[in-house]
Amino acid sequence: DGGITQSPKYLFRKEGQNVTLSCEQNLNHDAMYWYRQDPGQGLRLIYYSQIVNDFQKGDIAEGYSVSREKKESFPLTVTSAQKNPTAFYLCASSMGTSGRAETQYFGPGTRLLVL
Amino acid sequence: GDSVTQMEGPVTLSEEAFLTINCTYTATGYPSLFWYVQYPGEGLQLLLKATKADDKGSNKGFEATYRKETTSFHLEKGSVQVSDSAVYFCALSPNQAGTALIFGKGTTLSVSS
Repeated sequence: DGGITQSPKYLFRKEGQNVTLSCEQNLNHDAMYWYRQDPGQGLRLIYYSQIVNDFQKGDIAEGYSVSREKKESFPLTVTSAQKNPTAFYLCASSMGTSGRAETQYFGPGTRLLVL
Repeated sequence: GDSVTQMEGPVTLSEEAFLTINCTYTATGYPSLFWYVQYPGEGLQLLLKATKADDKGSNKGFEATYRKETTSFHLEKGSVQVSDSAVYFCALSPNQAGTALIFGKGTTLSVSS
């Protein structure tokens, strides 16, 4: 089955620690995205990538980093500079080439908690 | 910049009641519009979409019509079920390939039997 997988489902971060969230898709999509979801705030864009080896900052990129070395993978690192990392993190992908009506497909999410 | 505004929740209904969740948008050009649904602890699933003015998206008994004159995309369902309890997000796409969606803050729907 085609889809997006995220791991782990739950992740615990200690003070000063960097942690990496995994996102893999087998939909052959060019574009991938990371969103952060906080209660009552909807989804906010962290980073996005339209093609391999290229990515752009979203609205709340500070304290986060990404890489896009393979088409299928778009890992997100939450660095120690992110002072309030507790949230639900969602990865998504889209075709990236169709122009109109870019439907995004979402993974099941990773919940990050601070110890 | 582009934005989406949804009615605040929570919305609490009895089973078989009529549902409306309001969504209005601000955008330059001609965006595409989406409704996504999120069940507890899960990611978002596409519910329906519309790509141009007067288009009606529909799925699983839910409908929404793209109204350019009122810049709205209200979600409706004639008879809700307990299983419809979820968070509903309205979103727009600026219609550039690989551009991220812009989401509203979400509306929580709770349906009781």
